[in-house]
Amino acid sequence: TQLLEQSPQFLSIQEGENLTVYCNSSSVFSSLQWYRQEPGEGPVLLVTVVTGGEVKKLKRLTFQFGDARKDSSLHITAAQPGDTGLYLCAGAGSGTYKYIFGTGTRLKVLA
Amino acid sequence: DVKVTQSSRYLVKRTGEKVFLECVQDMDHENMFWYRQDPGLGLRLIYFSYDVKMKEKGDIPEGYSVSREKKERFSLILESASTNQTSMYLCASSSFRWPGELFFGEGSRLTVL
Repeated sequence: TQLLEQSPQFLSIQEGENLTVYCNSSSVFSSLQWYRQEPGEGPVLLVTVVTGGEVKKLKRLTFQFGDARKDSSLHITAAQPGDTGLYLCAGAGSGTYKYIFGTGTRLKVLA
Repeated sequence: DVKVTQSSRYLVKRTGEKVFLECVQDMDHENMFWYRQDPGLGLRLIYFSYDVKMKEKGDIPEGYSVSREKKERFSLILESASTNQTSMYLCASSSFRWPGELFFGEGSRLTVL
């Protein structure tokens, strides 16, 4: 079974700080996605990366896919309380629609 | 507005009861999924369906079955609920277009006493 480990599991920071969340696996993925989940709701897609070394930016969020397509990172610059939530990475192998989810990182940004 | 709707937000059942969780999507998606979410474990795939009447086991199918009689509807069945099936259950759908985006419902929190 493919596994995706996320770190840290919990993160509590002050507004304006920067942070990085990591998503690691020993398996190679053809596609990796990041989702954010808020209380009482289902996860919502933030980004999809498919090429090793790919970097995508979404406002203050920067996503990177590792060169070997086994890991990814999410960097948030100048975090805001609205960034609070559970961040999940999800990877899919070649030729499959089945996404394996990471263990999650719960972020709390304090005003 | 695209939507995945799960039939119940909260359920409380007794050990041994049969439980049905229903999910309907209005996006004409081919793929539908059932995940369970537990703290520290992320989302774990129970079953996946890529077409009507087609299903594939995920990572934790034991104790569960599914039904997909219509394209828009995917049901998760717990034949005999047990306390270790207390969890949040999330339904999702996606199109055949790869890599695709998973659209999730709001979740069904099941408590088995």
